[in-house]
Amino acid sequence: NAGVMQNPRHLVRRRGQEARLRCSPMKGHSHVYWYRQLPEEGLKFMVYLQKENIIDESGMPKERFSAEFPKEGPSILRIQQVVRGDSAAYFCASSPGVAGANVLTFGAGSRLTVL
Amino acid sequence: GENVEQHPSTLSVQEGDSAVIKCTYSDSASNYFPWYKQELGKGPQLIIDIRSNVGEKKDQRIAVTLNKTAKHFSLHITETQPEDSAVYFCAGFSGGGADGLTFGKGTHLIIQP
Repeated sequence: NAGVMQNPRHLVRRRGQEARLRCSPMKGHSHVYWYRQLPEEGLKFMVYLQKENIIDESGMPKERFSAEFPKEGPSILRIQQVVRGDSAAYFCASSPGVAGANVLTFGAGSRLTVL
Repeated sequence: GENVEQHPSTLSVQEGDSAVIKCTYSDSASNYFPWYKQELGKGPQLIIDIRSNVGEKKDQRIAVTLNKTAKHFSLHITETQPEDSAVYFCAGFSGGGADGLTFGKGTHLIIQP
């Protein structure tokens, strides 16, 4: 069991470019969560998705950020026109479904640096 | 929504001593409280969790206690070892909504040799 796989592990972008972060959940897990962690801070919820469906995006900034979890392939967190304040570690977590919806397994994270 | 407060932000203990980290939550509907350990450069790893129908849970050197009336829960690590050095996060889950866990801001635990 490979666990939750995130890539890239490190990503460097210049201001104005786009960042795409990918997350493959654990085998058998159908729920994906994205969290953002700023240096020396805790994890902030961004979005919760199931296949082809955004369940809760209350933590997502209103502009430039979007997330998807297609029927096939990984979940993707997309940040358009990145700014320096987007520099952070972005963690993906997955859970098995309704019965264990709150037991989250995290990936190793993607660290975005905006120059 | 849920609000989770965690204290202290930094805790330094001598190797072999015990460490206690405390969290409070605001939503009385919360029913699940996990603790995660995050080592430098890695993702958070679940180390223990407790549900609202029990008051205490133990797993070797780690224990968690929950006081539903006071809305607080604590992590206890006994006989601390150097490999316990990490950042520990508590979290709460209300279960009623579809949003994820709400995390505390973390405690940086330092084990002094």
